[in-house]
Amino acid sequence: AQSVAQPEDQVNVAEGNPLTVKCTYSVSGNPYLFWYVQYPNRGLQFLLKYITGDNLVKGSYGFEAEFNKSQTSFHLKKPSALVSDSALYFCAVGIYSGAGSYQLTFGKGTKLSVIP
Amino acid sequence: EAQVTQNPRYLITVTGKKLTVTCSQNMNHEYMSWYRQDPGLGLRQIYYSMNVEVTDKGDVPEGYKVSRKEKRNFPLILESPSPNQTSLYFCASSRGLGPYEQYFGPGTRLTVT
Repeated sequence: AQSVAQPEDQVNVAEGNPLTVKCTYSVSGNPYLFWYVQYPNRGLQFLLKYITGDNLVKGSYGFEAEFNKSQTSFHLKKPSALVSDSALYFCAVGIYSGAGSYQLTFGKGTKLSVIP
Repeated sequence: EAQVTQNPRYLITVTGKKLTVTCSQNMNHEYMSWYRQDPGLGLRQIYYSMNVEVTDKGDVPEGYKVSRKEKRNFPLILESPSPNQTSLYFCASSRGLGPYEQYFGPGTRLTVT
C-alpha cells in the first residue's frame, strides 16, 4: 500500500529566509506527486505537481519542489518566505495499481508559520 | 469563474437527522470526490465518481452515500449522522485521474450533536 509522510507537523521560518516543507512517500511504481496549500477557512489550492521529466518543478507563488527518486522525497521549497505563505501544506501521491485502479493519498499536512 | 461550490458551509445537526451536502462544479470535470479533514489525520477520501452514474468507495465510506446523476453535481448524503461524523468536508473535481490536479470547494463544517 502507498503512503505519504510529512514528518513535521509545524515548520517555523523567519520572513525572508528560505523554507522547506518535507514530504516522503512509499509506492510501488512511478507516482504522480502534488503539493496543495490550504489557507485558513479555505479549500485546498493546487501549487505544483511532478509527472515526469525534470526533477525540479516550479509552481505558483514562487514555490518549487524537487523530486528525488532515490530518497523517495518531494520536498517543497521557496527561496524567500513571506508572511503570507503561512498556511497548511499538503503533499499527495497518486499511482495506478497493477489492476488499473488509481489511488490518491494525502499526507497529514504541515503547518507553516512565517515569522515577521 | 471556474469553481467548485458547496452548500451549506456550516451545519449543526442532531444524531440521526438525515442531511445532504451539495457539491457542484462548472468546469465539465469527469472526476469528483469527497474528503473529510480531521486534525492529525489529514484528508481522507470518502467516495469518488469517475463519471455520471459511476461511483466508488474511498478510504472511509461508512455512514455516507453519494450519487452522480448529473456531471456537475455530486451530493454527499448522511442518512443517519453520528457524532463521529463531525468534521470538515471538502468536495473536489478534476479532469480525470492521474496527472490532473484537483479543484477543491470551500468546505463544509459539520457538527453532529
